[in-house]
Amino acid sequence: KQEVTQIPAALSVPEGENLVLNCSFTDSAIYNLQWFRQDPGKGLTSLLLIQSSQREQTSGRLNASLDKSSGRSTLYIAASQPGDSATYLCAVPPPGGTSYGKLTFGQGTILTVHP
Amino acid sequence: EAGVTQFPSHSVIEKGQTVTLRCDPISGHDNLYWYRRVMGKEIKFLLHFVKESKQDESGMPNNRFLAERTGGTYSTLKVQPAELEDSGVYFCASSQVKGSRGTSGSGTYNEQFFGPGTRLTVL
Repeated sequence: KQEVTQIPAALSVPEGENLVLNCSFTDSAIYNLQWFRQDPGKGLTSLLLIQSSQREQTSGRLNASLDKSSGRSTLYIAASQPGDSATYLCAVPPPGGTSYGKLTFGQGTILTVHP
Repeated sequence: EAGVTQFPSHSVIEKGQTVTLRCDPISGHDNLYWYRRVMGKEIKFLLHFVKESKQDESGMPNNRFLAERTGGTYSTLKVQPAELEDSGVYFCASSQVKGSRGTSGSGTYNEQFFGPGTRLTVL
């Protein structure tokens, strides 16, 4: 059974800092990994989807890396801003080499960036 | 392009009542998923439709939950009768057909797009 863990559970940083959010998964036979952002009372916004054949995926100040062999992904946020404050979630599809089907989520990292 | 929409945004009902949640996926997305997040827990999968067929309903907690997707368009999730432990946020997501790697802007590699959720409170 796939399990996804995110560390830290919460993070509070001053504006401008570079930060790293961690995601680990127990079954490395995944096809891709998706990072989401959730603002309070809102839905999930897809940030990045990184394929198993990729090592990195970038979007603006966000960079996601994936190391399947070690069962880890990191989300790097450069030059953090107060608007980055949200819950960040990682999720993976079922193991076995498919991108299809239900996602298994971690519990999320609550990020607060203060001015 | 409109995203995934859900209705209502909030629902407060009493134990024993019935509630029906609705999800409208992104147009053209054959895959539709239901998830929920109960207080303090991670988001968990409930059900997956491909068009109008249930592909995977392994996450449905019990037979008080009934999901339908008539005509392969919008979906409803009915809880009858509701219990206190059903309180939480119910999310719907959609994605393109398996194996599709379109570049239409609606997602590639079966990327799932989520709606804003319905917050259900059972008193």
